Amino acid sequence: GEDVEQSLFLSVREGDSSVINCTYTDSSSTYLYWYKQEPGAGLQLLTYIFSNMDMKQDQRLTVLLNKKDKHLSLRIADTQTGDSAIYFCAATDSGYSTLTFGKGTMLLVSP
Amino acid sequence: GAVVSQHPSRVICKSGTSVKIECRSLDFQATTMFWYRQFPKQSLMLMATSNEGSKATYEQGVEKDKFLINHASLTLSTLTVTSAHPEDSSFYICSAPPMGGYEKLFFGSGTQLSVL
Repeated sequence: GEDVEQSLFLSVREGDSSVINCTYTDSSSTYLYWYKQEPGAGLQLLTYIFSNMDMKQDQRLTVLLNKKDKHLSLRIADTQTGDSAIYFCAATDSGYSTLTFGKGTMLLVSP
Repeated sequence: GAVVSQHPSRVICKSGTSVKIECRSLDFQATTMFWYRQFPKQSLMLMATSNEGSKATYEQGVEKDKFLINHASLTLSTLTVTSAHPEDSSFYICSAPPMGGYEKLFFGSGTQLSVL
């Protein structure tokens, strides 16, 4: 089955850019997502990318997809303390038969 | 945007009692809803897929008689934890893709279940 891996922790200073990386194993993955989870809360969909795209930008968020290497990244520009949270990447196939999450990356933004 | 409402957000119950969690899609119809469980500092584990008008599909290792799922309408799915025990304490989250739009998957705010 699909395996999604993420680094567990990232610490940055306010105003810097943050880059969270994710790798997946199933080349048939069609949709790739980034979710944000704040303590005790559900998941907030940040952005998603379809597998035929290389990049997607949405305000401060930039998603890069290297389908050959099965590597996904989320870049947050001008990171703020309110961005501190756990970020999950997830992948699913076109039939949506499975949705696999990484273990999450805890982003800590210091003033 | 599409919203998924989940209630209650937090529940504390005695061991042996049953707890029902509701998941509603507020502005779209969802023939499919997903139920996840999350242990502290861990990722989400898919428990089951809820299908409107038919039986839910459970993941391996999930007891269907313990975690009863009902998807009676296109906007509501419920998860009932029957005869709850302390080991069932966890964070439960539902999610739903809008019909015909699997590129987006929206999540409820989660339910923190604590079984004493």
